[in-house]
Amino acid sequence: KAGVTQTPRYLIKTRGQQVTLSCSPISGHRSVSWYQQTPGQGLQFLFEYFSETQRNKGNFPGRFSGRQFSNSRSEMNVSTLELGDSALYLCASSARGESTGELFFGEGSRLTVL
Amino acid sequence: AQSVTQPDIHITVSEGASLELRCNYSYGATPYLFWYVQSPGQGLQLLLKYFSGDTLVQGIKGFEAEFKRSQSSFNLRKPSVHWSDAAEYFCAVGPLGQGGKLIFGQGTELSVKP
Repeated sequence: KAGVTQTPRYLIKTRGQQVTLSCSPISGHRSVSWYQQTPGQGLQFLFEYFSETQRNKGNFPGRFSGRQFSNSRSEMNVSTLELGDSALYLCASSARGESTGELFFGEGSRLTVL
Repeated sequence: AQSVTQPDIHITVSEGASLELRCNYSYGATPYLFWYVQSPGQGLQLLLKYFSGDTLVQGIKGFEAEFKRSQSSFNLRKPSVHWSDAAEYFCAVGPLGQGGKLIFGQGTELSVKP
C-alpha cells in the first residue's frame, strides 16, 4: 500500500508569492490533516479535512487555506508569503471518521521563502 | 490550557544503554497519548499509543511507554538503544473526534554514541 505522498518535496518562493502544496493520502483514508513544523514553534496543527469538509482549524491567519477533493486528495495554499512561512509542511492521513490520533505522515514539503 | 512538555531537548546515550524520554501533559479530559519518531528528512512515524486499559503499552522497534495519570506523564523507554534509534521523538496528546488535531511536544533529539 502506498504511503502518504506530498508534492513538491522542496520549493523556494519569494515574499509576496503564493504556493500550493499537494497531499495524496493512503488509499481508503478519508481524513487529511496538515501541520507546520518549524524549529521555533515545533509542530502546529493547520487544519483537517474529512469528506471534502474542513472539520477543524488551527490558529493560523487566513492566508493559509486548504481543500479536499472527492478522491480525498488535499491541497493547501499559502498566499502572500512571508519569511516566517518557511517551514516543513506535513500532511497526515487517517482511516477513520473519528480521529484516533493514528496519523500516517508524509515526508513533507519543505518551503523556503526568500 | 492543553499542552505537552518534553523537558529534554537533546539526549545522548551510548549504544546498548537504556533510554527514557520524558513527557508531561496538561489536558482537561482523558487524553489519548502518542509517541512519534522522526528521522532526518522524513515524516513522523507512530511508535505507540495509549487510549485506555493497561498503562504500560508496547510499541514498534522495542519501545514501550507507561501512562501515569497521577503524574500526568507518558514516558518512553527502551532497554537497549541501537544506533538506528538516533532521531527526534515527539510526544503528542489528542482527544477522540477532534478532527485529527494533535498537540505535540517540542521534541527530544536523541543521539547515540558508538
